Amino acid sequence: QVQLQESGPGLVNPSDTLSLTCTVSGGFISDKYWSWIRQPPGKGLEWIGYIYFSGSTNYNPSLKSRVTISVDTSKNQFSLKLSSVTAADTAVYYCARCIVGATWVWFDPWGQGTLVTVSS
Amino acid sequence: SYELTQPPSVSVSPGQTARITCSGDALPKQFAYWYQQKPGQAPVLVIYKDTERPSGIPERFSGSSSGTTVTLTISGVQAEDEADYYCQSADKHVVFGGGTKLSVL
Repeated sequence: QVQLQESGPGLVNPSDTLSLTCTVSGGFISDKYWSWIRQPPGKGLEWIGYIYFSGSTNYNPSLKSRVTISVDTSKNQFSLKLSSVTAADTAVYYCARCIVGATWVWFDPWGQGTLVTVSS
Repeated sequence: SYELTQPPSVSVSPGQTARITCSGDALPKQFAYWYQQKPGQAPVLVIYKDTERPSGIPERFSGSSSGTTVTLTISGVQAEDEADYYCQSADKHVVFGGGTKLSVL
């Protein structure tokens, strides 16, 4: 049973870069897609992007200029970097396994999520 | 990218049937997915590819599709089904609906 766990700072200063890591256990990161999704407090879900284990990516156009998702197969981890953050980036950040096909994309399972607050 | 529209809230009594809709122009061409999210917890997939139910999800959860609208149906609603429900689809990029709060009165 694949499990995912997010880790990283819970507090980030405005204008800095938010960095999170997702560690995958119970399975290998290879031959799969992996994603980041966020949820501002009291609001809905927003897809950030996904990465294939080989390194190819697909990002939300609204965040693309600030987002980098990378993968480290040797550590069975993938990471998120979001630059130039503002208070609007305060959210619970989830990592998830992403099932991608010609006409389908869905997320299962999800990590428990980690709250990142942008504030000085 | 396109949008998915859900009603903000749906209320039902225990034992009744709850229907949550999700509308989007691309839904005739793209599959839809449904997630259940309880307070303080991560979302859980309850329906994939419009109508398929993952293992471990109760049979009372079902999905259907008609034109630009997909529907999550929960038959014989139980108190434990009270949660937020999100639909999701994708064309070039992934889109989530705004979410529907299901209240079990």
